[in-house]
Amino acid sequence: QVQLVQSGAEVKKPGASVKVSCKASGYSFTGKYMEWVRQAPGQGLEWMGRINPNTGGTDFAQKFQGRVTMTRDTSINTAYMELSRLTSDDTAVYYCARGRLGGTTDFDYWGQGSLVTVSS
Amino acid sequence: EIVLTQSPATLSLSPGERATLSCRASESVSNYLAWYQQKPGQAPRLLIYDAFNRATGIPARFSGSGSGTDFTLTISSLEPEDFAVYYCQQRSNWPLTFGGGTKVEIK
Repeated sequence: QVQLVQSGAEVKKPGASVKVSCKASGYSFTGKYMEWVRQAPGQGLEWMGRINPNTGGTDFAQKFQGRVTMTRDTSINTAYMELSRLTSDDTAVYYCARGRLGGTTDFDYWGQGSLVTVSS
Repeated sequence: EIVLTQSPATLSLSPGERATLSCRASESVSNYLAWYQQKPGQAPRLLIYDAFNRATGIPARFSGSGSGTDFTLTISSLEPEDFAVYYCQQRSNWPLTFGGGTKVEIK
């Protein structure tokens, strides 16, 4: 069965960076894009970007360009999302999700979420 | 970017009743619209993709319809486990965007 298991909660100071991991199992890791979506407390969902685990190629929402990095380690079927120059507005639950399709897509499996709190 | 507007914000219904949720796009998304269910403390779950296709394991009481700019998610008879927040999402164009959600609460 498909599973995405994310790293634990983090507390960061403003200006710092955070790196969230997402370990995939139950399918061919390099065969599906890994997408990242975040959700601020009590708010809706926001797509951040994605990585092609096969090639390492990435696409980002313009809002996060220059501040987000997405990488992967195919030897351990794990994707990573790093967000830099954190502010309080970045306090959110960060989800990895598998893209159902290779182009524009929806998300058929989700990780459990990783809470990132930005506070001085 | 394509803006998705969901209505109503909150729907108060009783178990066994029919729920009708709306999602309107700021421009045509063809049939490239998905619906998700999210319960407190959980990740979203894909219910419907490409407007009317049920995802794996989704009960038949969930159905989707619509195309272009107007879409509907219908829950034919609410079960206790269906009280949750529902989001729509378009994959017609980048960036991928979500609606603001409809909360289905117990009346």
